[in-house]
Amino acid sequence: GAVVSQHPSRVICKSGTSVKIECRSLDFQATTMFWYRQFPKQSLMLMATSNEGSKATYEQGVEKDKFLINHASLTLSTLTVTSAHPEDSSFYICSALSLPGVYDNEQFFGPGTRLTVL
Amino acid sequence: GDSVTQMEGPVTLSEEAFLTINCTYTATGYPSLFWYVQYPGEGLQLLLKATKADDKGSNKGFEATYRKETTSFHLEKGSVQVSDSAVYFCALSDMEYGNKLVFGAGTILRVKS
Repeated sequence: GAVVSQHPSRVICKSGTSVKIECRSLDFQATTMFWYRQFPKQSLMLMATSNEGSKATYEQGVEKDKFLINHASLTLSTLTVTSAHPEDSSFYICSALSLPGVYDNEQFFGPGTRLTVL
Repeated sequence: GDSVTQMEGPVTLSEEAFLTINCTYTATGYPSLFWYVQYPGEGLQLLLKATKADDKGSNKGFEATYRKETTSFHLEKGSVQVSDSAVYFCALSDMEYGNKLVFGAGTILRVKS
């Protein structure tokens, strides 16, 4: 299967600072990437859908000004947590959807980024 | 909206035991169903899927059958190994909601040697 990377794998930051998380599809092009948040012992919750070259679509209850998403190329999407607070501490996971007709529309997941806000 | 309910864990089994992880779903349309596995420190991987009623997905000895009448997609394996220890997520994807994945809560499986 295809590979999706995330960077960094772990980040600790101070309250009020911004943190950028990168999601890359390493060996395939992805027109659509998804960003999820996973709380301890809970499931993945979809935050937003990111389409290359257009604005992201956010799920209900997700603040778009707080979680800035940029999908500038077919292999890279970034999530920036702005003015982070302790309640933003979580595990953030991205996935990438291959181009139509490739990999049978399967989503490939990154390994996740653990964000801790002090 | 669509939802997925799976059995709570952790599930602890001895090696070579039979595994069942229950999963039921609620959907307004005709969803595709998936099982994902997350090994420690790694991302989610697709384990198997089924796209229509009565389809059976299978991979690495795991099986699940899409049962529309009971809205279920239970995961089974006849003989588990220590290496199967992971978190298993049941999920659905519904074209009515743009093929977004809706996940169950996840079930931790621990296999003892």
